[in-house]
Amino acid sequence: AQRVTQPEKLLSVFKGAPVELKCNYSYSGSPELFWYVQYSRQRLQLLLRHISRESIKGFTADLNKGETSFHLKKPFAQEEDSAMYYCALYAGGTSYGKLTFGQGTILTVHP
Amino acid sequence: EPEVTQTPSHQVTQMGQEVILRCVPISNHLYFYWYRQILGQKVEFLVSFYNNEISEKSEIFDDQFSVERPDGSNFTLKIRSTKLEDSAMYFCASDPGGYSGNTIYFGEGSWLTVV
Repeated sequence: AQRVTQPEKLLSVFKGAPVELKCNYSYSGSPELFWYVQYSRQRLQLLLRHISRESIKGFTADLNKGETSFHLKKPFAQEEDSAMYYCALYAGGTSYGKLTFGQGTILTVHP
Repeated sequence: EPEVTQTPSHQVTQMGQEVILRCVPISNHLYFYWYRQILGQKVEFLVSFYNNEISEKSEIFDDQFSVERPDGSNFTLKIRSTKLEDSAMYFCASDPGGYSGNTIYFGEGSWLTVV
């Protein structure tokens, strides 16, 4: 069975510092990986997905199949980036939407 | 921007009672989902629904749970006889499918407390 691990429950950085939120997965096939973000009192929102290879709000993530990782990075953190971040994996199957989530990382960006 | 809406935002119910959580997915989306998050735990997939039937369900989604799309706009999750361990945030989500499949839009959640 697939598994997603986010080793840091909490991550604090100062504004302008680089930030990296770690995500490791275990799955024997070719997964699709996602990052979701949840700002305070708001809904889960898709931040980015690896097949799009796009940068959203300055965040990027590269799928490293050798290390089975999908770390989320931003070179210069902003205070508005403070949120809960979830890494998620789609393993395929009969239907879309069956995502396996990590535990989440709370990112706090200090002024 | 269209959003998935859920009602109620919070419900308290007695153990053994039936609960219905309601959702209005984004119109023209084809796939509908329920997820839940027990306090302090991971977001967990419950069920996916497509073409008026369940397409996939998790081990959590036992006979106590059912889903329905009664009128082409609402999507409901029913828990027949609630247990204390059903206390969680329940998220409804929808997905346009096709080329944009797995672009999942979540609702704000319904917080269920079973006492």
